Amino acid sequence: DAGVTQSPTHLIKTRGQQVTLRCSPISGHKSVSWYQQVLGQGPQFIFQYYEKEERGRGNFPDRFSARQFPNYSSELNVNALLLGDSALYLCASSLAVPRAGADTQYFGPGTRLTVL
Amino acid sequence: GDSVTQMEGPVTLSEEAFLTINCTYTATGYPSLFWYVQYPGEGLQLLLKATKADDKGSNKGFEATYRKETTSFHLEKGSVQVSDSAVYFCAPFGANNLFFGTGTRLTVIP
Repeated sequence: DAGVTQSPTHLIKTRGQQVTLRCSPISGHKSVSWYQQVLGQGPQFIFQYYEKEERGRGNFPDRFSARQFPNYSSELNVNALLLGDSALYLCASSLAVPRAGADTQYFGPGTRLTVL
Repeated sequence: GDSVTQMEGPVTLSEEAFLTINCTYTATGYPSLFWYVQYPGEGLQLLLKATKADDKGSNKGFEATYRKETTSFHLEKGSVQVSDSAVYFCAPFGANNLFFGTGTRLTVIP
């Protein structure tokens, strides 16, 4: 079975531009979460979606937005890019809404975003 | 707020040495606990997990026991291999998301 897939693998943008990252969860998984991993640090939670609704949001500015589609895939959008947005963006999927971690989150390979 | 503290790295060991990576956390309630591993240039892979006190998670020779009284989840392996070289993340599960520390980089030399 295919794992979590993300596209594109790498992306280079300039400051002020907008970017859209895509994620397809494991088949049968209904929950998708997004994390940002800056080089040398651990991942930081951005969003969680379940059944097309936002169920959780981390401490990120409104420039970051996301949505989930009826097929449970998801997009992360970042507007007005800053140099500090350069990071590995990770998508994770789980069967249902993770409650106290009962459902394990499985991560994709990530999208490496570089902002120049 | 929720937080996790991992043993500072980097850690360098010889092949077949014993590994311990300490992890302690602060969280509301009794979260499930996870160890993830990240190989160079890749995403995170689940290594093991424990969902309640005294549970022991294990996988590929790695083990960790959920210690509620000390809020710890230390990772151990009896004999490391060169292929274990990676960054290891302890990650408790908060209200609706995992929260990570900075990770511990392990290098195993032949």
